[in-house]
Amino acid sequence: EAGVVQSPRYKIIEKKQPVAFWCNPISGHNTLYWYLQNLGQGPELLIRYENEEAVDDSQLPKDRFSAERLKGVDSTLKIQPAELGDSAVYLCASSLGSLGGQETQYFGPGTRLLVL
Amino acid sequence: KQEVTQIPAALSVPEGENLVLNCSFTDSAIYNLQWFRQDPGKGLTSLLLIQSSQREQTSGRLNASLDKSSGRSTLYIAASQPGDSATYLCAVGSSNTGKLIFGQGTTLQVKP
Repeated sequence: EAGVVQSPRYKIIEKKQPVAFWCNPISGHNTLYWYLQNLGQGPELLIRYENEEAVDDSQLPKDRFSAERLKGVDSTLKIQPAELGDSAVYLCASSLGSLGGQETQYFGPGTRLLVL
Repeated sequence: KQEVTQIPAALSVPEGENLVLNCSFTDSAIYNLQWFRQDPGKGLTSLLLIQSSQREQTSGRLNASLDKSSGRSTLYIAASQPGDSATYLCAVGSSNTGKLIFGQGTTLQVKP
């Protein structure tokens, strides 16, 4: 069974440019998460989707970040415009049900973003 | 606000040694506690999940314990191997927010 797929794996952009990350969760998983991981830190939740609905986006900086999960499967996270401080690893995860922190989440390899 | 702390931040041991990684959390209102492994440039792999009603979980050479009342968990690795070298993250499933709250991780190096 394929795991969580993310692309691209690496991205280097100049500040003020837009960037987008893509995630394909494990087949049949209803819940999808986007996390931000800074160097030397644990991941922090940006947004959680149950099917197509964003049920928790309280940590998403909405002035520059946006996300969508059309048809309740794949998801895209966008930053526009990117700032130097956005350099980090962006992780996508999925879980079978809708229990959030109560169930096992499966993580993708992440997209490593460097903003110059 | 739930805070999760892992000590030490880094650890280097010779192969074959038994070792303990520590995790503490400030709010006992949790669903569970999970230990993850992260290899360089890779995502997270779930190692063990302990429900809040449980005291410990075991998988192979790994044993994780949970003391919810004191806000502590330990991950015990027996007979360490160079392949165990990675960053180990603990995370609590918060009852208040429904989120996974992560510690900053312990980077383990096992020397041959």
